[in-house]
Amino acid sequence: NAGVTQTPKFQVLKTGQSMTLQCAQDMNHEYMSWYRQDPGMGLRLIHYSVGAGITDQGEVPNGYNVSRSTTEDFPLRLLSAAPSQTSVYFCASSRGSLGANVLTFGAGSRLTVL
Amino acid sequence: TQLLEQSPQFLSIQEGENLTVYCNSSSVFSSLQWYRQEPGEGPVLLVTVVTGGEVKKLKRLTFQFGDARKDSSLHITAAQPGDTGLYLCAGISEKTTDSWGKLQFGAGTQVVVTP
Repeated sequence: NAGVTQTPKFQVLKTGQSMTLQCAQDMNHEYMSWYRQDPGMGLRLIHYSVGAGITDQGEVPNGYNVSRSTTEDFPLRLLSAAPSQTSVYFCASSRGSLGANVLTFGAGSRLTVL
Repeated sequence: TQLLEQSPQFLSIQEGENLTVYCNSSSVFSSLQWYRQEPGEGPVLLVTVVTGGEVKKLKRLTFQFGDARKDSSLHITAAQPGDTGLYLCAGISEKTTDSWGKLQFGAGTQVVVTP
């Protein structure tokens, strides 16, 4: 039972570099999302998707792009990394709708931007 | 500004003691969840409460949803070192209009239980 798989687990970038954080789930969940976790800030929603081909912005979308070409995959792209994007990133998925939105999280990707 | 305020931010207790963690808001939530997160891992759901005044028990953990659905508490009886972790509350605001509710998370309470 893989659940939600995130890669890489750790990454160090220089300012201005680009990269993609990968997320895959094998539970046939319709809903997928990306959060960032910073000390004292809790988890903040970056982008989410309610199905293949459908994405929308969350609370903190600036500097990040997403796409959802398949039900299983939901990559997060940083086009030009900035030190403010140093954080731990979590991908989460859910099969439910309002009132039953139980999230299954990946193990996280720790990103440091120098 | 966090929609959900958790207190305390940090709690260190001895094994066998009891503890309570609070999650408060000025907004009404249609449902509220509690997650536990261990170092290097993602949060894992403990419980969902949906009815004002609801009390749920999970072994030594007791969860309560306030009557007005604006607050919640997590009480751990006879804490064990395995209870160590970051406890997060998360809720779906009653004002959310889309069919895919977006959870709002509190900043978390770090609990450390020492033997």
